[in-house]
Amino acid sequence: QVQLVESGGGVVQPGRSLRLSCEASGFTFSSYAMHWVRQAPGKGMEWVAVLSYEGTNKYYADSTKGRFTISRDNSKNTVYLQMNGLTIEDTAVYYCAKDTYFDGLLPPYYFDHWGQGALVTVSS
Amino acid sequence: HSVLTQPPSVSGAPGQRVTISCTGSSSNIGAGYDVHWYQHLPGTGPKLLIYGNSNRPSGVPDRFSGSKSGTSASLVISGLQTEDEADYFCQSYDSSLSDTYVFGTGTKVTVL
Repeated sequence: QVQLVESGGGVVQPGRSLRLSCEASGFTFSSYAMHWVRQAPGKGMEWVAVLSYEGTNKYYADSTKGRFTISRDNSKNTVYLQMNGLTIEDTAVYYCAKDTYFDGLLPPYYFDHWGQGALVTVSS
Repeated sequence: HSVLTQPPSVSGAPGQRVTISCTGSSSNIGAGYDVHWYQHLPGTGPKLLIYGNSNRPSGVPDRFSGSKSGTSASLVISGLQTEDEADYFCQSYDSSLSDTYVFGTGTKVTVL
């Protein structure tokens, strides 16, 4: 069965960096786009970024553009989220999610599997 | 960042029917983009419940159903069960924003 396991969360000071990883299993990882989605405490879900199956096409939410970088290593079945210049507003549980297609900006635009999440707390 | 509006909470007794609404706008649901629904239990990853407005993935009980009309969508749980107590959120796509995937505000379902 499909499994997505995030790691790398923790407590970090404002302005610092953190890298999240999401290891996938149970499907042909290299055939699908992968997303990061986050949920701040008491808030709804917020889409963060998507990366196409081969790593060429990447798109970001305005709130993370220029600070966050999504990447993947298909040989390791892993997608990453490098987060730089973290602010208190980035405090959230970060989920990786699998797209149903090879490019994240083509229909049908939904996520068929999610990881359990990694908590990132930005605090001084 | 929640572009789609849901009621904060709904409740019902076991066996009852509950409906969760998801209201969007002309740039997302009203533009023809599909609505998808997820169930989220605390401490776990969200689970896809309905895709493409009304389709259930394999393994999702048929007491869950979805529909869409105009700029809104609905999730209906018929025959509420205790294990249905969870958070539910809708999701669609928006053509007017850089934040292309948009989510609902989320609804807590309580089984009385």
